[in-house]
Amino acid sequence: GAGVSQSPSNKVTEKGKDVELRCDPISGHTALYWYRQSLGQGLEFLIYFQGNSAPDKSGLPSDRFSAERTGGSVSTLTIQRTQQEDSAVYLCASMKDRGKTDTQYFGPGTRLTVL
Amino acid sequence: AQSVTQLGSHVSVSEGALVLLRCNYSSSVPPYLFWYVQYPNQGLQLLLKYTSAATLVKGINGFEAEFKKSETSFHLTKPSAHMSDAAEYFCAVSGSTGNQFYFGTGTSLTVIP
Repeated sequence: GAGVSQSPSNKVTEKGKDVELRCDPISGHTALYWYRQSLGQGLEFLIYFQGNSAPDKSGLPSDRFSAERTGGSVSTLTIQRTQQEDSAVYLCASMKDRGKTDTQYFGPGTRLTVL
Repeated sequence: AQSVTQLGSHVSVSEGALVLLRCNYSSSVPPYLFWYVQYPNQGLQLLLKYTSAATLVKGINGFEAEFKKSETSFHLTKPSAHMSDAAEYFCAVSGSTGNQFYFGTGTSLTVIP
């Protein structure tokens, strides 16, 4: 596709349920990031994938959060036993290559609401 | 450690007036700095970036930013605001190690007709 896509665009769930958020990066982009954007907060780094390397999971807030990237393309962020504080917009971004000066291309985000 | 601070979570300007959005950074190494814009219901998109070449960086839609090492600043400006500039603006800095980027809390720009 032309850009990064994310699904679903909105997700409402009950506390304690598991959710899966999907990200389709731009074709050919080797780097993929997940961020969390809470109201009044900046973007909080969650996890980073680069090619076939082990992901950088240093931003995951708890062991309830996990992510995978299959075949170096599509990524899924899973939140188990959701809590109300998990409510936020989850953003995915891809980059063509690794590098501190590269441009990140962001998806429109998934708005997660935990009741 | 790297970080950015955006002064002013909300900025209002009149149409045609100067836009100034402030960003100060903290970095233990020469930084790479970015400004991203998020229009309503859209993903963030790059406005401009500083990568240690020219200190005055020009971006899309008439925006520019100047890297000032002495002031540890990278403020975003536009001479004349347009209604279409109303959006959320984020400043970001590359990490010194690894591949992380650190984002500010954002500045919401309102343009008054």
